[in-house]
Amino acid sequence: QVQLVQSGSEMKKPGSSVKVSCQASGDTFSNYAISWVRQAPGQGPEWMGGIIPLFRTANYAQKFQGRVTITTDDSTSTAYMELSSLRSEDTAVYYCARDKGIHDSSGYHYGYFDYWGQGTLVTVSS
Amino acid sequence: DIVLTQSPGTLSLSPGERATLSCRASQSVRSSKLAWYQQKPGQAPRLLIYGASSRATGIPDRFSGRGSGTDFTLTVSRLEPEDFAVYYCQQYGSSPKTFGQGTKVEIK
Repeated sequence: QVQLVQSGSEMKKPGSSVKVSCQASGDTFSNYAISWVRQAPGQGPEWMGGIIPLFRTANYAQKFQGRVTITTDDSTSTAYMELSSLRSEDTAVYYCARDKGIHDSSGYHYGYFDYWGQGTLVTVSS
Repeated sequence: DIVLTQSPGTLSLSPGERATLSCRASQSVRSSKLAWYQQKPGQAPRLLIYGASSRATGIPDRFSGRGSGTDFTLTVSRLEPEDFAVYYCQQYGSSPKTFGQGTKVEIK
């Protein structure tokens, strides 16, 4: 059984950065991709980007390009999501999730999410 | 980006009734790469359906999905008390992956 355990809630000032961690267990970390999804209060989820630990290659939604960085540490089976230049609209619950995408001749295609972390609330306020 | 519009916004039903939820895409979803999730307050979403109609591991057969192109449906044949929640559709045929705004199924 795959388990994804995230770091705790964060309170940040506008303009600062936040780094959220997601530690995986129950399966070989490099066997699958990890995506990050956020959900603002009362809104639907929003995909931010993902990473394939085996290749250490990340892919980001255009909306977050330049502001988000997703990395992994294979030694601890942990994925990280760092979001910079925070504004109040970034207040949300941030989730990591196991990504069930596919690999073909044109590369990796991110897919749906079968296991999720418990979520990390990030509050941006002055 | 593909916009997913879910309807209705809220569905008020009684336990034992049938729930039919709609998800309409702004353009065709490639290869029916559409998933459905259930979310309860304070919890992460839970995968129900992928590939438009395949049930995820451990999901009861009262949940079924169908559709292709731009129109997709999630049906709960007989609502159990634990089924009252918010449901989201998500397309993963094109990047970026996008979600609908959700349908809340509440107890009438």
